[in-house]
Amino acid sequence: GENVEQHPSTLSVQEGDSAVIKCTYSDSASNYFPWYKQELGKRPQLIIDIRSNVGEKKDQRIAVTLNKTAKHFSLHITETQPEDSAVYFCAASITGSGNTGKLIFGQGTTLQVKP
Amino acid sequence: NAGVTQTPKFRVLKTGQSMTLLCAQDMNHEYMYWYRQDPGMGLRLIHYSVGEGTTAKGEVPDGYNVSRLKKQNFLLGLESAAPSQTSVYFCASSISRGSVDYGYTFGSGTRLTVV
Repeated sequence: GENVEQHPSTLSVQEGDSAVIKCTYSDSASNYFPWYKQELGKRPQLIIDIRSNVGEKKDQRIAVTLNKTAKHFSLHITETQPEDSAVYFCAASITGSGNTGKLIFGQGTTLQVKP
Repeated sequence: NAGVTQTPKFRVLKTGQSMTLLCAQDMNHEYMYWYRQDPGMGLRLIHYSVGEGTTAKGEVPDGYNVSRLKKQNFLLGLESAAPSQTSVYFCASSISRGSVDYGYTFGSGTRLTVV
């Protein structure tokens, strides 16, 4: 089955710096890669996602890149702010007719943005 | 429109006791999932359902059972609770017929402690 590895497990940056979180997946059939942000005591919230027919996607200060050949994808946060501090999860799934769409998650990255 | 509602929010069980966690969604989603979240291990899939009356095992199904008798409800049962089942449990749902939005909507979680 699918396996998703996420690095680093913790990341500390200064406010205004960039943060990068990387994930690798094992199943080459995976075609949907979302990222979730989870604040302390809250539920995970979808922040951005990418499908396998796209190499990069941006939404204001966040971007995700996908390298299908190497089977890895990354989350980039620019101009970090203290409110970006949270746990971030990557995930992978196989979507489409006949598939379950079940997400397999990485282990999570705790991002701390220091003021 | 409440989204995904989980009950209860907190519970303390004694070893060997049983309980049922309820997940209800009002978005007419086809798919529903149960995850457990433990520190450093991300979100691990317990069981999932791709439609009313269907269920399937995820990554860590042992010690749990599920039922989906109605489309909007997905129940997670612990027959004989063990301390290893102390965790935060999240329910999620996704995908409506005709939609290409595969992102999950999560419930607010249930914090379960088994003593």
